[in-house]
This record gives sequence, structure tokens and C-alpha cells, in this order.
Amino acid sequence: AQTVTQSQPEMSVQEAETVTLSCTYDTSESDYYLFWYKQPPSRQMILVIRQEAYKQQNATENRFSVNFQKAAKSFSLKISDSQLGDAAMYFCASSYGGATNKLIFGTGTLLAVQP
Amino acid sequence: NAGVTQTPKFRVLKTGQSMTLLCAQDMNHEYMYWYRQDPGMGLRLIHYSVGEGTTAKGEVPDGYNVSRLKKQNFLLGLESAAPSQTSVYFCASSYGTSRSNEQFFGPGTRLTVL
Repeated sequence: AQTVTQSQPEMSVQEAETVTLSCTYDTSESDYYLFWYKQPPSRQMILVIRQEAYKQQNATENRFSVNFQKAAKSFSLKISDSQLGDAAMYFCASSYGGATNKLIFGTGTLLAVQP
Repeated sequence: NAGVTQTPKFRVLKTGQSMTLLCAQDMNHEYMYWYRQDPGMGLRLIHYSVGEGTTAKGEVPDGYNVSRLKKQNFLLGLESAAPSQTSVYFCASSYGTSRSNEQFFGPGTRLTVL
């Protein structure tokens, strides 16, 4: 069975500081991808970053980076230089089901950014 | 290029009523998905489709039916709505040719069943 666990329901960070959101997963897939999605108050789901499981190099997108530890099945998201617009719910997700490209999501972490 | 659109944005139903949610995408994506989002539970997959004319069950399919008669549209039906189906429903689509493919999401439909 596939599971994704986000153990931090809420997090808070000061503007311009760095914050790390945690995610652990379990999968029976041999080849899979991991994603972080952002959901602001508008409710729109936006892809933040993706990681290919067979690549050891951690993915980076501007101020967003991941720490991917495959053996530990850990996939944390680091947000540097936090901005007020980063305030949102963040969901970690793992692909499964082979070519069907299905996703299983964690329960989310609500990030508040303090000015 | 509108991306993924969903109709309607809000709906209130009475128990036992039926309705259909429409999802449309203009990106020529092969794969489409329906999710529901409930407080504290993240998004859960209801049904999905890997191409025109195909559908398959996801994690929580009971009480829902779907159809994909046209490549650009994916319909989610509730035949007899129940209060447990009160939720926010999201449609998503992807190219489907690779597991790295991003799923693009619609804006969601908030459904309340009284």
C-alpha cells in the first residue's frame, strides 16, 4: 500500500527566514516520482517542485529545494527567504500505479508567514 | 488557454438528489482524474481515465460514476447524493506519457449535501 505522511499540521516562519516541511512516504513502486503542491486560499493546486526517485541529486526551483533521502523514504521541502505569498497549505504527493500516473497525497501542512 | 475548468464552482444538494460535475481541459491531455478533498485528509482519488472512452476506479469510488466520452471532458456523477459526499472536488489532467508528468488542477467545486 502507498502512504504519504505529513506530521506537521501547521508551521510558522518569519518573513525572509527558512522553513522546512517534512514528508515521509511508503511505496511498493520501483520507479516513482515525488511532488510538493501548494494550495493558497484561492484553493488552486500549484506544483512547487518534483523529484525523480532514481535521481540522487535533490531538485531545486529558485527558493524551493528538497532533501530526498530514498533509503529513509523522506522527502522534505525547504523554503528559503520566505515571502508572504508563500503562506498556503502544502501537500506532499507520491506517484503510483505505473503508467497510470496516479498520485497519493499527504494530509498537508498549513504554513503561516509572519511579517 | 483556459487550462482545466470545472463547472459548477458551488452547489448545494438535498440528500437523494443527483448531479453531474463537468471537467474540461484544453491542453490535449490524455489522462484525467477526479479527487475529493476533505478537512484533515488531503486529496483522495475517486476515479480516473487514461484516455477517451476509458475509466477506472481510484481509492474512494463508491457513490460516484464517471464518463469520458470526449478527450477534453471528464464527468463525475452522483446518482443519489449523501451528506458524506459533502466535499471539495478537484479535477486534474496530465499528458500521461511519463510518471514525471505534472497533474494540472482545476479550481475545485464545493459541494454541500444537506
